[in-house]
Amino acid sequence: NAGVTQTPKFQVLKTGQSMTLQCAQDMNHEYMSWYRQDPGMGLRLIHYSVGAGITDQGEVPNGYNVSRSTTEDFPLRLLSAAPSQTSVYFCASSYKGHPNTGELFFGEGSRLTVL
Amino acid sequence: AQSVAQPEDQVNVAEGNPLTVKCTYSVSGNPYLFWYVQYPNRGLQFLLKYITGDNLVKGSYGFEAEFNKSQTSFHLKKPSALVSDSALYFCAVRDKGDSSYKLIFGSGTRLLVRP
Repeated sequence: NAGVTQTPKFQVLKTGQSMTLQCAQDMNHEYMSWYRQDPGMGLRLIHYSVGAGITDQGEVPNGYNVSRSTTEDFPLRLLSAAPSQTSVYFCASSYKGHPNTGELFFGEGSRLTVL
Repeated sequence: AQSVAQPEDQVNVAEGNPLTVKCTYSVSGNPYLFWYVQYPNRGLQFLLKYITGDNLVKGSYGFEAEFNKSQTSFHLKKPSALVSDSALYFCAVRDKGDSSYKLIFGSGTRLLVRP
């Protein structure tokens, strides 16, 4: 099983550029989410989705957009990259029907550097 | 608002000794509590969770955690540490009554087990 797949694993951007981090899961999970991980701050929720066509903001949504056109895919778009968005980004999903009690399954992460 | 505190940035323990990684939480309602582990350059992996019932929960790799409602704590424990347990550990909480399914993470504790 592939689980949660993130691409790219590494990316370097210049300030002002835009890009999309891809996330796909093959477990038929309804709940998907994006986190960023920064040293000493743990993981912070950016955006999440409880099903196709439904998205909502997390703790730190500014500068990011998401969409959920299918159950499998949940791309994260950086509209105009800033150095403060340098981070490691994780996509995670939860079992269908148990978004509240089910554990998250994480991708391997995407390391983004904004110069 | 939900929050999680992991008061120790790093825990050092000798192989074969018991280990404890501390976690306290704050939610307005009843909590769902989780522990995750992160190995270098990898995504987070689920270890164990408390949903309801017995306050002592057992998880993967011989880890266990004790839910203490009066102290709002959910400390991670293992009777005998292994060098391979060295990793970054995250505590996380959801509010049972929160329909957004947000999972809030602590800042993480690095566990170093020396031979």
